[in-house]
Amino acid sequence: DGGITQSPKYLFRKEGQNVTLSCEQNLNHDAMYWYRQDPGQGLRLIYYSQIVNDFQKGDIAEGYSVSREKKESFPLTVTSAQKNPTAFYLCASRMDRGQDGYTFGSGTRLTVV
Amino acid sequence: GQNIDQPTEMTATEGAIVQINCTYQTSGFNGLFWYQQHAGEAPTFLSYNVLDGLEEKGRFSSFLSRSKGYSYLLLKELQMKDSASYLCAVRSGGYQKVTFGTGTKLQVIP
Repeated sequence: DGGITQSPKYLFRKEGQNVTLSCEQNLNHDAMYWYRQDPGQGLRLIYYSQIVNDFQKGDIAEGYSVSREKKESFPLTVTSAQKNPTAFYLCASRMDRGQDGYTFGSGTRLTVV
Repeated sequence: GQNIDQPTEMTATEGAIVQINCTYQTSGFNGLFWYQQHAGEAPTFLSYNVLDGLEEKGRFSSFLSRSKGYSYLLLKELQMKDSASYLCAVRSGGYQKVTFGTGTKLQVIP
């Protein structure tokens, strides 16, 4: 079955460390997205990519970095520059045409300890 | 910028009908989505509206009025499993940016 896979499901990071969240999809979707979700707030866009080797900053890109070397993969690195990284991170993908909604991964819950 | 407003919480009775409203202000409107999200899980796609009117899909219907910047999600014959957060999201702009509201937490009670 096609889908979008995020790993790990739970991640603990020490302050000052970089961590990378994995996102893989086998839906042949063109566009991929990273969102952050905090309690009482809507999903906020971190980065998105509409095509391989190209990506754009979203609303809250500071302290994050991404790469899109393959169509299937869009990893997110949370760097030590991100001051408040504890959150639920959601990866999503969609065809970059038509009216389909996003398909979301199951999320990664990152906690700074 | 964009502004999306939804009620924070709602409670409804099993078997009843509930309407969840969403108002938005945006430029370059290009569609409105509704998603369902159970606690600790990923959102799942429910509906999409780009033209005015009602879209029906089983027990769920979604309505859009572009002139009023208003949408609602209608859930009929409520079941306990419908207890979840319902996210309104608006697509706009040339690069297909989607902005999410804060979500409405619906509790279905017996």
